[in-house]
Amino acid sequence: GAVVSQHPSWVICKSGTSVKIECRSLDFQATTMFWYRQFPKQSLMLMATSNEGSKATYEQGVEKDKFLINHASLTLSTLTVTSAHPEDSSFYICSARDQSGGDQETQYFGPGTRLLVL
Amino acid sequence: GQNIDQPTEMTATEGAIVQINCTYQTSGFNGLFWYQQHAGEAPTFLSYNVLDGLEEKGRFSSFLSRSKGYSYLLLKELQMKDSASYLCASMDSNYQLIWGAGTKLIIKP
Repeated sequence: GAVVSQHPSWVICKSGTSVKIECRSLDFQATTMFWYRQFPKQSLMLMATSNEGSKATYEQGVEKDKFLINHASLTLSTLTVTSAHPEDSSFYICSARDQSGGDQETQYFGPGTRLLVL
Repeated sequence: GQNIDQPTEMTATEGAIVQINCTYQTSGFNGLFWYQQHAGEAPTFLSYNVLDGLEEKGRFSSFLSRSKGYSYLLLKELQMKDSASYLCASMDSNYQLIWGAGTKLIIKP
């Protein structure tokens, strides 16, 4: 099946620093990628939809100036957490939609990135 | 509004069968997904239903009734490794997933 990778898997940073998380579709092109955040014992929460070549669409309550999303190519989207604070510590998961052959339905999830802000 | 309901937790015995139910209400409907998520890992895709009926895939089967806004995931011959959270998600008219909170399945020997 299709593979989505994320890098890094783990990141620990000091409060106030910025952290960049990469999401890559390894064997398909993804015009649309999604960024989720998951807190312990809670379901995934959609943060934003990343569209290749255009601005991301953010969910209500998500600060677009704090969570910068860049989808510069058909296989790469990046999420930058700017001026990270301890409350940003979470599990960040991306997914990518494989639309080759007109498949609109299936999203493939990345393994996730654990962020710990000290 | 959009809503997905599934039980919070279920317990079953190794080797047995368990059915996890999910009801949904979404703006438009483009299919119902089931994901398995082990603790500390991203959810992995299990099944996708867009037409009514039962889809069987090995030990796991998924059923959908669109008229009732209802789906279930059936797990047979339970193994200890099946202990995980099972997420139900409905895809709305914008092709975005509306997630349930997940059902934690505990398998006992």
